[in-house]
Amino acid sequence: AQSVTQLGSHVSVSEGALVLLRCNYSSSVPPYLFWYVQYPNQGLQLLLKYTSAATLVKGINGFEAEFKKSETSFHLTKPSAHMSDAAEYFCAVIPYTGTASKLTFGTGTRLQVTL
Amino acid sequence: GAGVSQSPRYKVAKRGQDVALRCDPISGHVSLFWYQQALGQGPEFLTYFQNEAQLDKSGLPSDRFFAERPEGSVSTLKIQRTQQEDSAVYLCASSLTGRATYNEQFFGPGTRLTVL
Repeated sequence: AQSVTQLGSHVSVSEGALVLLRCNYSSSVPPYLFWYVQYPNQGLQLLLKYTSAATLVKGINGFEAEFKKSETSFHLTKPSAHMSDAAEYFCAVIPYTGTASKLTFGTGTRLQVTL
Repeated sequence: GAGVSQSPRYKVAKRGQDVALRCDPISGHVSLFWYQQALGQGPEFLTYFQNEAQLDKSGLPSDRFFAERPEGSVSTLKIQRTQQEDSAVYLCASSLTGRATYNEQFFGPGTRLTVL
């Protein structure tokens, strides 16, 4: 079955520092990959998605992610962290089946941004 | 509506009670998904509807869980004889077409269920 692994359940960065959240997928065929953000007591919001077009994907709020097939990775980055980026981030996958399907999520990474 | 709405936002039930959780998807969205998010975990798939048809219910944890979408819009997730392990946030998501791989799933704020 498709799965994703997020390394680091908690990441803390200083405001203005680089944000790097790691995600690796397990699949012989590259799936569709997603990053979602969840603020306290709110639903999930899509940051960006990879659907086999460009390997470098730009999303909202200055986030981007690079798909690397050789490393089976889809890490999320942001050059300069802002206090408002503090939230829970989830990597998710849908198998490349060409049909409607469910999201399979990682366990999440809580991002803390300090002054 | 502007987004996916869910009600109630919070529900406390005594063990053994039945509960019903409602999801109002974005108007016109064909696909509707239910997910369960336990504390400190990522959401896990429960079930999927395309219009009124329930195409996938492989994630429902037991026969105490039942979902319906009779007119292809509003959906209800029902849990019978609630147990403490049912305590979680229940998320609903909708997407525009049946090909959800190409369309963003928009999530509601969730219903936090606490079973005492």
